[in-house]
Amino acid sequence: AQSVAQPEDQVNVAEGNPLTVKCTYSVSGNPYLFWYVQYPNRGLQFLLKYITGDNLVKGSYGFEAEFNKSQTSFHLKKPSALVSDSALYFCAVREWPSGAGSYQLTFGKGTKLSVIP
Amino acid sequence: DSGVTQTPKHLITATGQRVTLRCSPRSGDLSVYWYQQSLDQGLQFLIHYYNGEERAKGNILERFSAQQFPDLHSELNLSSLELGDSALYFCASSPRTATNEKLFFGSGTQLSVL
Repeated sequence: AQSVAQPEDQVNVAEGNPLTVKCTYSVSGNPYLFWYVQYPNRGLQFLLKYITGDNLVKGSYGFEAEFNKSQTSFHLKKPSALVSDSALYFCAVREWPSGAGSYQLTFGKGTKLSVIP
Repeated sequence: DSGVTQTPKHLITATGQRVTLRCSPRSGDLSVYWYQQSLDQGLQFLIHYYNGEERAKGNILERFSAQQFPDLHSELNLSSLELGDSALYFCASSPRTATNEKLFFGSGTQLSVL
């Protein structure tokens, strides 16, 4: 079974400082990895994904994530945090090749990012 | 705006009742997914439909059921409601079922069972 762990419930960072939101995953096969962001009273929005190829993936709003197969991690990063980045961040994984009919995207519990002015 | 529409936005009901949540996917998307979000459980996958057929089931209770109609909209039916069913229910859609597809989420239905 596939699973995702986000070890930090909350991350606080000062505006302008680099930020990292951690994610580790567990799959039997190969992973497709995703990051989503949720702003208050809104649905989740896609940030970026890793499918294959370059381990550093660039996404929306200046975010990037680094895939590390040996550490089974997919940490989200941004060089300079903005107050507007404050939100709930979710890491998610899908395993491929998929079992018959199973395309479940499994999410972590989320990390609340607070960027302090 | 993701293009995924969920109604109603808020629903308040009593224990033992039955409710129906509705989801209209993005135009052209054939897959619809339902997720339940609660503080203690996080985001839990409930069920996935593709072009009218059920494709995968997650942690969906027997009291819950869903369907996807020929026009591709989907409904999630929750019956014999309990206090613990109070949660935010999200619908998401994607074009097909490819595992590398991103999902587009609606704004959710906040269900409060009193």
